[in-house]
Amino acid sequence: EAGVAQSPRYKIIEKRQSVAFWCNPISGHATLYWYQQILGQGPKLLIQFQNNGVVDDSQLPKDRFSAERLKGVDSTLKIQPAKLEDSAVYLCASSFDRFQETQYFGPGTRLLVL
Amino acid sequence: DQQVKQNSPSLSVQEGRISILNCDYTNSMFDYFLWYKKYPAEGPTFLISISSIKDKNEDGRFTVFLNKSAKHLSLHIVPSQPGDSAVYFCAASEGRSSGDKLTFGTGTRLAVRP
Repeated sequence: EAGVAQSPRYKIIEKRQSVAFWCNPISGHATLYWYQQILGQGPKLLIQFQNNGVVDDSQLPKDRFSAERLKGVDSTLKIQPAKLEDSAVYLCASSFDRFQETQYFGPGTRLLVL
Repeated sequence: DQQVKQNSPSLSVQEGRISILNCDYTNSMFDYFLWYKKYPAEGPTFLISISSIKDKNEDGRFTVFLNKSAKHLSLHIVPSQPGDSAVYFCAASEGRSSGDKLTFGTGTRLAVRP
């Protein structure tokens, strides 16, 4: 079975620019997660979707970050405008549903904000 | 406030010997714990988990021990193999389902020497 796909793999932008990341979860997985992993830290959940609805976005900086999962499959995460401290790896994960123990992670998008 | 702590950033072990990775937590509401393994340029992959109703769970060479009174868990790898060299993350949630938010530690980099 194909894993979680993410693109791009790397992105370099200047501060105040905008950037978007794309995630395609494993087929049939209803739950999708976006994590931010800053260098030297563990992943931190930004937002969780169940199908196309948001379950948890309590740690998403909503003044600059937005995410959508319009058809309950693919998802995009956007940062507008980016700050230096947004430099991190952005991981997408999916699980069959909220009650499955295993989250499957994509390879991540490494963002560098200059 | 770091609710899940991995105090050893790195560990080096000889091939064939035991690797012991430790994790401490502060949130008494955590009742489900997971270990993830991460290779460079890849997303974390699920390794093993344990519910708070157990004190041990074993899967092949991997065993996780949970000491609830000490709020401590450990991952034992026996015997260690060079392919086990990776970063290991401890994670915890307040519910068995992955629908509950996972809180990750900062990771321990394991190097297994041939």
